[in-house]
Amino acid sequence: GNSVTQMEGPVTLSEEAFLTINCTYTATGYPSLFWYVQYPGEGLQLLLKATKADDKGSNKGFEATYRKETTSFHLEKGSVQVSDSAVYFCALSGFGGSNYKLTFGKGTLLTVNP
Amino acid sequence: DVKVTQSSRYLVKRTGEKVFLECVQDMDHENMFWYRQDPGLGLRLIYFSYDVKMKEKGDIPEGYSVSREKKERFSLILESASTNQTSMYLCASRGSPGGANVLTFGAGSRLTVL
Repeated sequence: GNSVTQMEGPVTLSEEAFLTINCTYTATGYPSLFWYVQYPGEGLQLLLKATKADDKGSNKGFEATYRKETTSFHLEKGSVQVSDSAVYFCALSGFGGSNYKLTFGKGTLLTVNP
Repeated sequence: DVKVTQSSRYLVKRTGEKVFLECVQDMDHENMFWYRQDPGLGLRLIYFSYDVKMKEKGDIPEGYSVSREKKERFSLILESASTNQTSMYLCASRGSPGGANVLTFGAGSRLTVL
């Protein structure tokens, strides 16, 4: 079945530091890949997505590139802010039948200190 | 914007009680989902619904049931609550404005079973 493995946290950084959160996946076919973010006290919201190999998703300064050869979708940001403190989830979905549901990683808690 | 509303943010129930968690979405989406979120385990799918009166078990359906009588409403039911069902419950609705498999989440319902 499909699975997502992401870097375990927590991750603590100082403001303006570089961020990488690793995510690798196992899936049949050609899944779509996502990063969701959960700010304190809120539900998850989509941060970025990529639907085919070599696509780069980007939003709010975050980027992730769909690497089929390494089955990875690592999240990066060049300069984090205190407001980026949240839990980040990597996820994938296939298409059709039971593969149409999303499979999530366990989440990575990021804390950014001023 | 799509809005997914979970009626209760915090609930405290006693073991053996019947518990209803309600979720309403306002964008005529066909697909709706219930996840539970636990520290170190990430999000796990309980049930999902492709359409009115249709439901399919997710990865951890034991101890839960669902109801989808109207398109906009998806209810999660705990027939006899147990302490191991203490968790954060997240409802989601599927829309694809960009053509990808994007979920929109509610803010969550934190259930404590005593």
